Amino acid sequence: DTEVTQTPKHLVMGMTNKKSLKCEQHMGHRAMYWYKQKAKKPPELMFVYSYEKLSINESVPSRFSPECPNSSLLNLHLHALQPEDSALYLCASSQAAGQGNLNTIYFGEGSWLTVV
Amino acid sequence: GNSVTQMEGPVTLSEEAFLTINCTYTATGYPSLFWYVQYPGEGLQLLLKATKADDKGSNKGFEATYRKETTSFHLEKGSVQVSDSAVYFCALMRNYGGSQGNLIFGKGTKLSVKP
Repeated sequence: DTEVTQTPKHLVMGMTNKKSLKCEQHMGHRAMYWYKQKAKKPPELMFVYSYEKLSINESVPSRFSPECPNSSLLNLHLHALQPEDSALYLCASSQAAGQGNLNTIYFGEGSWLTVV
Repeated sequence: GNSVTQMEGPVTLSEEAFLTINCTYTATGYPSLFWYVQYPGEGLQLLLKATKADDKGSNKGFEATYRKETTSFHLEKGSVQVSDSAVYFCALMRNYGGSQGNLIFGKGTKLSVKP
């Protein structure tokens, strides 16, 4: 089973709203990722969690706030977003350093976010 | 630095035609190489991978060989189907000091297969 599950699949939010994207995996992976993908572009890394600790933040604005409550779950809290933040947000997971084969990242289906 | 260059699309083929999507990379050390596929309206799916020189990754009729001498990882399929229409991303795995990997993507190549 190489499944990463993301909810919701579609989200429309106003610029003053607070919402969250959720991600879950049951592959025993201890590294989880958030990527942002704009139309006709490759995914861009936002955050990496390793063993539930934030290890990489690619200079993402503070209106995006990640959270990793346990080894299976990853959230992305959204507040005061701008229309240009509209994109496909992809969660991914992989084995982490010390787990063995850490060289394959598995992606979820993504959450389509529209900011109005 | 590390980078991936893949052929510009879109690529339009007739069903049963032969497919090649070129991918070359620049990297320090010995990266792992991947092809991901993204069908319309969906997330990324791992198509195949290779972790060392001369490895051949294969899946669903697609193949790619890790060529260190030419720093290439070209994707091929002998006979494409309409259902192969998608965007294909070549990527390499970058390591942060050996602690955790990350992917460097090419720009993607859109493939359209006509009946």
